[in-house]
Amino acid sequence: AQSVAQPEDQVNVAEGNPLTVKCTYSVSGNPYLFWYVQYPNRGLQFLLKYITGDNLVKGSYGFEAEFNKSQTSFHLKKPSALVSDSALYFCAVRDWEYGNKLVFGAGTILRVKS
Amino acid sequence: GAGVSQTPSNKVTEKGKYVELRCDPISGHTALYWYRQSLGQGPEFLIYFQGTGAADDSGLPNDRFFAVRPEGSVSTLKIQRTERGDSAVYLCASSLGTPNTEAFFGQGTRLTVV
Repeated sequence: AQSVAQPEDQVNVAEGNPLTVKCTYSVSGNPYLFWYVQYPNRGLQFLLKYITGDNLVKGSYGFEAEFNKSQTSFHLKKPSALVSDSALYFCAVRDWEYGNKLVFGAGTILRVKS
Repeated sequence: GAGVSQTPSNKVTEKGKYVELRCDPISGHTALYWYRQSLGQGPEFLIYFQGTGAADDSGLPNDRFFAVRPEGSVSTLKIQRTERGDSAVYLCASSLGTPNTEAFFGQGTRLTVV
């Protein structure tokens, strides 16, 4: 069965500084990895995904993520944080060999201070 | 519609009552997912449909929970004999049903059992 770990409950960063939100995963087959963002009282919004190919994927709002197969990680990054990036971020994994089920991590709160 | 629509947005019910939560997916999306999200936690997988059939219902917590998608479009999550522990936000998502496609989420239904 697939699983996702987000080791940090909260990440604090100053506006303009780079940010990283960590994610590690466990699958039996090949992983398909996703990042979502959730603003207060809103549904989850898709940010980016890794399916195959280039290990660095780019997504919405200037976010990117790096897939590292040896470390089974898929960390979310942004070169320069904005206050408006403050939200709850979820990493998710799908192991296609075991169906279309999408499993989420517990989430990481990102706080960007001006 | 343009996005995934969930109704009602809020539902308050008494312990022991029956509730139905509705999800209208994005047109043409063959996969439909139900998740449950408690405060401060990540979405917990309940069930997903591929077309009309439940492809994976391993996340349904017990036999009080049931979901249908009779025509491969709209889905209804049904909860019998509700308990206070069922209180959560119930999220629905849909996707094109292939492994490399992301799921799009609705705004959720906040269920409160009193």
